[in-house]
Amino acid sequence: AQSVAQPEDQVNVAEGNPLTVKCTYSVSGNPYLFWYVQYPNRGLQFLLKYITGDNLVKGSYGFEAEFNKSQTSFHLKKPSALVSDSALYFCAVKSYGQNFVFGPGTRLSVLP
Amino acid sequence: DAGVIQSPRHEVTEMGQEVTLRCKPISGHDYLFWYRQTMMRGLELLIYFNNNVPIDDSGMPEDRFSAKMPNASFSTLKIQPSEPRDSAVYFCASSSWHGTEGSEQYFGPGTRLTVT
Repeated sequence: AQSVAQPEDQVNVAEGNPLTVKCTYSVSGNPYLFWYVQYPNRGLQFLLKYITGDNLVKGSYGFEAEFNKSQTSFHLKKPSALVSDSALYFCAVKSYGQNFVFGPGTRLSVLP
Repeated sequence: DAGVIQSPRHEVTEMGQEVTLRCKPISGHDYLFWYRQTMMRGLELLIYFNNNVPIDDSGMPEDRFSAKMPNASFSTLKIQPSEPRDSAVYFCASSSWHGTEGSEQYFGPGTRLTVT
């Protein structure tokens, strides 16, 4: 069975500092990994994905994520956080023949 | 493209009433998903369709829930009768098949359902 863990319910970071939102996963085959962001009263918005190839994936709004197969992780990063990045972030995993599985979400607060 | 469209955005109803949620996927997308989001359970996949055919409805909580997709541009999720524990935000999402498993989903704005 597939699973996704986001070990932190809440991440606080000062504006201008780098941010990391953690994600680890478990699948039986090759993983396809995704990050989504949800702003208040909105649907989830796709940020980036890893399918194959370069382990460092760049996405929207300056976000990037690094796929680490040995650690089964796919952490979301941004070099310099903005107050407007404050939102709920979801990691998701899929593998062949399986449905999407979303993590529980991590609330990011960027403090001015 | 206008993105995934859901209606209504908010629905307040009394226990026992029928509720119908509507979704229009992105044109050209052949996968459609219904999710439910609550604080307690997070984001749950209820059912998904491929080319208008239901593929996996194992997430549908019980027989009170039903979903249809009569054509490629419209889907409904119906709850009959509704109960207070059905209160949640219901999302519709769609995706296209690019020949791999890696197609991202695009979500609608959601319908916030409150059952009193």
